[in-house]
Amino acid sequence: DAGVTQSPTHLIKTRGQQVTLRCSPKSGHDTVSWYQQALGQGPQFIFQYYEEEERQRGNFPDRFSGHQFPNYSSELNVNALLLGDSALYLCASSLGLAGFQETQYFGPGTRLLVL
Amino acid sequence: QKEVEQNSGPLSVPEGAIASLNCTYSDRGSQSFFWYRQYSGKSPELIMFIYSNGDKEDGRFTAQLNKASQYVSLLIRDSQPSDSATYLCAVNIRAGGTSYGKLTFGQGTILTVHP
Repeated sequence: DAGVTQSPTHLIKTRGQQVTLRCSPKSGHDTVSWYQQALGQGPQFIFQYYEEEERQRGNFPDRFSGHQFPNYSSELNVNALLLGDSALYLCASSLGLAGFQETQYFGPGTRLLVL
Repeated sequence: QKEVEQNSGPLSVPEGAIASLNCTYSDRGSQSFFWYRQYSGKSPELIMFIYSNGDKEDGRFTAQLNKASQYVSLLIRDSQPSDSATYLCAVNIRAGGTSYGKLTFGQGTILTVHP
């Protein structure tokens, strides 16, 4: 049973550049959520995609955008990178109709460094 | 007031002892609660979830929930050095309607189990 996968594992960019991160959900899951985790902090919710639509969004600027494909995989795009965007980006997958019992499983993450 | 707060660490316990990790949350309407374990440099791994008041046991782990006090805890019995990690408390915040899925995390508690 394949778990959540993310690519790439590490990435180095410079300020002002754009980056795309990718995620494939766990087998049988249809929902993908993205989180940003700064060093020493808990993950912060960016947004969630279900049925190819953004279902919920956290307090992140419009520079952060996403997409979900028909096969449930997802991309996170960040434009005009800032130094403060350096973090571990986590993808989590779940079943979208589980209601309050929705349980999220995390992928290994992509570590982004902005210079 | 932060939405989810965890007891400040780091927490150090001897091998074989009980480790107690605590978490409070501000949204009285929250219905689902999760504990994740995160080893250094890795992504969060789900340990337990709990929805109802009372205790839920899984092996050496026990989650306790008290919705009236807005309090959730994790007990680790017979602590092992391999339990040394950051423990993250997460609460599923309902966004409105039937949409869930935004996990709000505490800042994490670093646990060290020494031989």
